[in-house]
Amino acid sequence: EVQLVESGGGLVQPGGSLRLSCSASGFTFSSYTMYWIRQAPGKGLEYVSAIHSDGRDTFYADSVNGRFTISRDNSQNTLYLEMKSLRTEDMGVYHCVKRRTLVTSGDWYFDLWGRGTLVAVSS
Amino acid sequence: EIVMTQSPATLSVSPGERTTLSCRASQSVSRNLAWYRHKPGQAPRLVIYAASTRASDIPARFSGSGSGTEFTLTINSLQSEDFAVYYCQQYEKWPCTFGQGTKLEMK
Repeated sequence: EVQLVESGGGLVQPGGSLRLSCSASGFTFSSYTMYWIRQAPGKGLEYVSAIHSDGRDTFYADSVNGRFTISRDNSQNTLYLEMKSLRTEDMGVYHCVKRRTLVTSGDWYFDLWGRGTLVAVSS
Repeated sequence: EIVMTQSPATLSVSPGERTTLSCRASQSVSRNLAWYRHKPGQAPRLVIYAASTRASDIPARFSGSGSGTEFTLTINSLQSEDFAVYYCQQYEKWPCTFGQGTKLEMK
């Protein structure tokens, strides 16, 4: 089955750390750029971070740059997000997302999402 | 970054009716726009990309239009499974950005 399954969320105090994981199955994980996209309570979707298929290039939203680290293990079909110095504004559901790019047109879109894992930041 | 604004925030529509959701970009995104459907507790799902191309397995009652800064998603003959939150997303410029969503609820 083609799917993404996140884990690792939980309750953490402000300033704390968490490591999210995303297990991919049903497709060639090592061929795709992967993202983390989050949704804060009552808010819309927000891009957090991205990583190219080979793991060499990583990208971050300004709001998490310097605090979060995205990585992947293509041998284990797993995506990670290491989160440090967590703030209350980091709270929300974190989705692991696969990006598909159409070679002919250059169009790209998110064609597979996980259900997400909940991160709560509170004292 | 490009700001995406969706309207209205909530839309109350009866099953079988037609409805239109709007999305506006703060600057031109050409046709580099996608729509996603999100039901609570489920994974979001791609509906439309390149402003008007339906994703696989999306029925023909869904259609997208627009270019530049103004876009619409039209759903004909609403079915029960269509009631959800819909997000537009631009991928013209980095970082990709989403609208705040339109909640489509059953009247």
